[in-house]
Amino acid sequence: DGGITQSPKYLFRKEGQNVTLSCEQNLNHDAMYWYRQDPGQGLRLIYYSQIVNDFQKGDIAEGYSVSREKKESFPLTVTSAQKNPTAFYLCASSVRDSLNTEAFFGQGTRLTVV
Amino acid sequence: AQSVSQHNHHVILSEAASLELGCNYSYGGTVNLFWYVQYPGQHLQLLLKYFSGDPLVKGIKGFEAEFIKSKFSFNLRKPSVQWSDTAEYFCAVTLYNQGGKLIFGQGTELSVKP
Repeated sequence: DGGITQSPKYLFRKEGQNVTLSCEQNLNHDAMYWYRQDPGQGLRLIYYSQIVNDFQKGDIAEGYSVSREKKESFPLTVTSAQKNPTAFYLCASSVRDSLNTEAFFGQGTRLTVV
Repeated sequence: AQSVSQHNHHVILSEAASLELGCNYSYGGTVNLFWYVQYPGQHLQLLLKYFSGDPLVKGIKGFEAEFIKSKFSFNLRKPSVQWSDTAEYFCAVTLYNQGGKLIFGQGTELSVKP
């Protein structure tokens, strides 16, 4: 089945540590996205990538980093510089730059800093 | 900057009541419009989408939404809610030719009392 796989589902991190969230898709989509969900704030865009080896900052990129070495994969690293990393993180993918397209979402990773 | 505004943060209804959730966006150009739902403990699911054509869009589980271009609105409706509709609902837009890059509203939490 085609889809987006995020792992792990739950992740605990100690303060001061970097942590990497995995996102893999087999939909053959060029574009991939990372969103952060906080209560009462909806989903906010962290980073996105329209093509391999290229990515752009979203609205809340500070304290995060990404890479896009393969079309299928778009890992997100939450660095120690992110002041409030506890949140629900969602990865999505879509066809690139098309007018009538929709994004498909993974099941999310809930990150808790302890 | 473009934004999406959902009018209600938390809505409480009794079963069989009618539902209307407001959504407005601020962008003068062509947009694609979406409503997503997130049931407790579950991932984000697409309820319905509007790309073009008939401004009244029907989605899954008896939901519908109407696009009113002059009002920059895309309100979600359901004639008779059920307890199982208890969830968080997100309105989102994508801008012309920006593929699946979504701008989300803050979300509306719907609680349906049996």
